[in-house]
Amino acid sequence: GENVEQHPSTLSVQEGDSAVIKCTYSDSASNYFPWYKQELGKRPQLIIDIRSNVGEKKDQRIAVTLNKTAKHFSLHITETQPEDSAVYFCAANFGGSNYKLTFGKGTLLTVNP
Amino acid sequence: DGGITQSPKYLFRKEGQNVTLSCEQNLNHDAMYWYRQDPGQGLRLIYYSQIVNDFQKGDIAEGYSVSREKKESFPLTVTSAQKNPTAFYLCASSNPGPTMETQYFGPGTRLLVL
Repeated sequence: GENVEQHPSTLSVQEGDSAVIKCTYSDSASNYFPWYKQELGKRPQLIIDIRSNVGEKKDQRIAVTLNKTAKHFSLHITETQPEDSAVYFCAANFGGSNYKLTFGKGTLLTVNP
Repeated sequence: DGGITQSPKYLFRKEGQNVTLSCEQNLNHDAMYWYRQDPGQGLRLIYYSQIVNDFQKGDIAEGYSVSREKKESFPLTVTSAQKNPTAFYLCASSNPGPTMETQYFGPGTRLLVL
């Protein structure tokens, strides 16, 4: 069935270090993979997304890589800052749907000053 | 995403009571969604609507109902049949075209059972 596995569930890093969060998906028809950041009690906000026709996308300190063969994609945050502390969710659209997203269970990232 | 509003911010439900959560958007988006968020569970899709007067069940629709009479509005009713309604409810909207496009979220409603 539709499934997105996200690891790790918690991640603690020192300020300035890099953080990597990985997700795997089950449906080879998935072609859209967004990442959302959610601060405590707030709404999820899109930070970056990638489509299946590219293997990597960067936006300043954030990058996402996609391996379609292995069906996994990863979020990379470099030079982490305390304000990066939040829960991060990956998602994938199953069946190539333009509407339905299935989310991972989230990663709580803590950046220690 | 500031164009999506949800009300109320907090809602209390008594046993056997139906409650309705409001979601409004002024982004002119065709599609709207309701998600439920529980600690450690991520976001799970309850219902979604691709267009006015049409909606489809998501993964956890039991105990919920929706309507889509206007493009701007997509209210969610939590019925008494939903036995464990305590959660954070998030509404979202998007404007899908030939490909999937970004879903923007509202600020959420936290539902608590008295």
